[in-house]
Amino acid sequence: EAQVTQNPRYLITVTGKKLTVTCSQNMNHEYMSWYRQDPGLGLRQIYYSMNVEVTDKGDVPEGYKVSRKEKRNFPLILESPSPNQTSLYFCASSRSRDATYEQYFGPGTRLTVT
Amino acid sequence: GIQVEQSPPDLILQEGANSTLRCNFSDSVNNLQWFHQNPWGQLINLFYIPSGTKQNGRLSATTVATERYSLLYISSSQTTDSGVYFCAVNSGGGADGLTFGKGTHLIIQP
Repeated sequence: EAQVTQNPRYLITVTGKKLTVTCSQNMNHEYMSWYRQDPGLGLRQIYYSMNVEVTDKGDVPEGYKVSRKEKRNFPLILESPSPNQTSLYFCASSRSRDATYEQYFGPGTRLTVT
Repeated sequence: GIQVEQSPPDLILQEGANSTLRCNFSDSVNNLQWFHQNPWGQLINLFYIPSGTKQNGRLSATTVATERYSLLYISSSQTTDSGVYFCAVNSGGGADGLTFGKGTHLIIQP
């Protein structure tokens, strides 16, 4: 089944404890990206990647890192999480190298930082 | 950047009713998608429709790119249709992702 997977789906952590949210797609897609969703602010892009080893900042990159060492994986790293990073996170992928084609979203990761 | 406005913000209907959700955008688009966010938070792809008309069962969508709007039609609503419906666009052919509207919160009552 073609899909985007994320792990973990739910995470409660404490301020400053490094964490990684994994994202994987099995569709051989070029483009991958991360979004966060917050009440009143909607969905906003954090980082994106057009290809292996090519990443760039989205609208809200502060406090996050990403890497794209393999085509199928695009992990999101929070090196020192803070309470304002409590959010619902989505990974997405697309077959083109930009956002002009259909984006497929993962199931979401609900993160709480205390 | 491009602006995306959805209407109405909230809609309460009885099961079996039909509804039309609207998405207006402020610039030409390369990508327009409709999503349904279910009560568990998952974003479900409904349509990829930068122009034209598509149908999938009880749902259909039309985008009139020259007039910068898209419509999502839901017929014979079911309680499982409840949730938030988002319109999202990409403009300019860039790699900088989708811009989402604020959504329409739909409640279908039995």
